[in-house]
Amino acid sequence: GAVVSQHPSRVICKSGTSVKIECRSLDFQATTMFWYRQFPKQSLMLMATSNEGSKATYEQGVEKDKFLINHASLTLSTLTVTSAHPEDSSFYICSAFSLWNQPQHFGDGTRLSIL
Amino acid sequence: AQTVTQSQPEMSVQEAETVTLSCTYDTSESDYYLFWYKQPPSRQMILVIRQEAYKQQNATENRFSVNFQKAAKSFSLKISDSQLGDAAMYFCAYSPLTGTASKLTFGTGTRLQVTL
Repeated sequence: GAVVSQHPSRVICKSGTSVKIECRSLDFQATTMFWYRQFPKQSLMLMATSNEGSKATYEQGVEKDKFLINHASLTLSTLTVTSAHPEDSSFYICSAFSLWNQPQHFGDGTRLSIL
Repeated sequence: AQTVTQSQPEMSVQEAETVTLSCTYDTSESDYYLFWYKQPPSRQMILVIRQEAYKQQNATENRFSVNFQKAAKSFSLKISDSQLGDAAMYFCAYSPLTGTASKLTFGTGTRLQVTL
């Protein structure tokens, strides 16, 4: 079955650091990838939609300069949290989509903790 | 805008018994997808079942089945013969039917406990 790899699974870093999270589709080409954020005991909130070769589309209220998304190839999208602060601590999950009429495939998520 | 509502924050079921998780949604679209995702403590999102709105037949996947009531905008998940491994957060989700990838809108989730 389709596999999406997300790396790293856990990050702990100091305030002010920029953190990059990678999302790779391992056995299919993902024309679209999504980035979600999940606070403890809450649902997944879509942050942005990433299409290969074009600028990401951000949801209302998500700072595009804070959360930089790059989708340079059909198998890789990256989310960079710039100058991270404690309020950015959360669980970030990506998903990848290959074909119309097919469900999204999720990565295992990244737990980001900013000290 | 589409909304998905799960009115049961927590549910509990005994092993081998049956449990039903509720979900309602709101949309002005006539064609769309509905999903149930399972999120165990590992936090991985696992697709449990998917329903196309244009199909009248309820989707079934082994012990998991749905009761899709389009007119009522209701999409409940029934888990039969519950197992300890079914314990997880369950999210109902909606996706519009378009020609390209569509955004998922998730409900707030139901935490399912399975007891011996």
